[in-house]
Amino acid sequence: GQNIDQPTEMTATEGAIVQINCTYQTSGFNGLFWYQQHAGEAPTFLSYNVLDGLEEKGRFSSFLSRSKGYSYLLLKELQMKDSASYLCAVRDNDYKLSFGAGTTVTVRA
Amino acid sequence: IAGITQAPTSQILAAGRRMTLRCTQDMRHNAMYWYRQDLGLGLRLIHYSNTAGTTGKGEVPDGYSVSRANTDDFPLTLASAVPSQTSVYFCASSDGTSGADTQYFGPGTRLTVL
Repeated sequence: GQNIDQPTEMTATEGAIVQINCTYQTSGFNGLFWYQQHAGEAPTFLSYNVLDGLEEKGRFSSFLSRSKGYSYLLLKELQMKDSASYLCAVRDNDYKLSFGAGTTVTVRA
Repeated sequence: IAGITQAPTSQILAAGRRMTLRCTQDMRHNAMYWYRQDLGLGLRLIHYSNTAGTTGKGEVPDGYSVSRANTDDFPLTLASAVPSQTSVYFCASSDGTSGADTQYFGPGTRLTVL
């Protein structure tokens, strides 16, 4: 099975940077995903890491260290619309995703 | 572009009743999934199907059944609903072949069992 931990809540100011950490303990690893979920909506894909290092996509970046079982999602130049839950998910060798409970980010003016 | 549709959007159901949640995708994806999302617990996999004609059990399959008669449809049935099945249910699909194999989610069904 998978054990995935991420903080429950984070608050930041518009224009700032926020880093959401995710640690995992797995019985198999075949990639790590980050999803964004606005309240009352479906999760939407943000990023995918399978090799160690940083993946950058606009204002969002995701980092992976497989040896440490650690990932983070970095949100830069925060905007009000970034207020949402961010879900860390680990894929096992059978291509099944296990999700963390999610981190709710609140962006304040 | 429809992607994945789910029906109904929401439902209030009496305990003991049978209920089928519908999920249809038009992306010709091989794999489909059903999750439930509960506050503080995140998304948990109920059942999945890697390809039409096959299904498998996820983390929390008890009380649920699925079928995959064709590529597009993946209904989830609660044979006799119980209050602990009150949740938001998301259907997802993916190409299921290789690489990033991103899962795309439907809009969800909010189910309340009384």
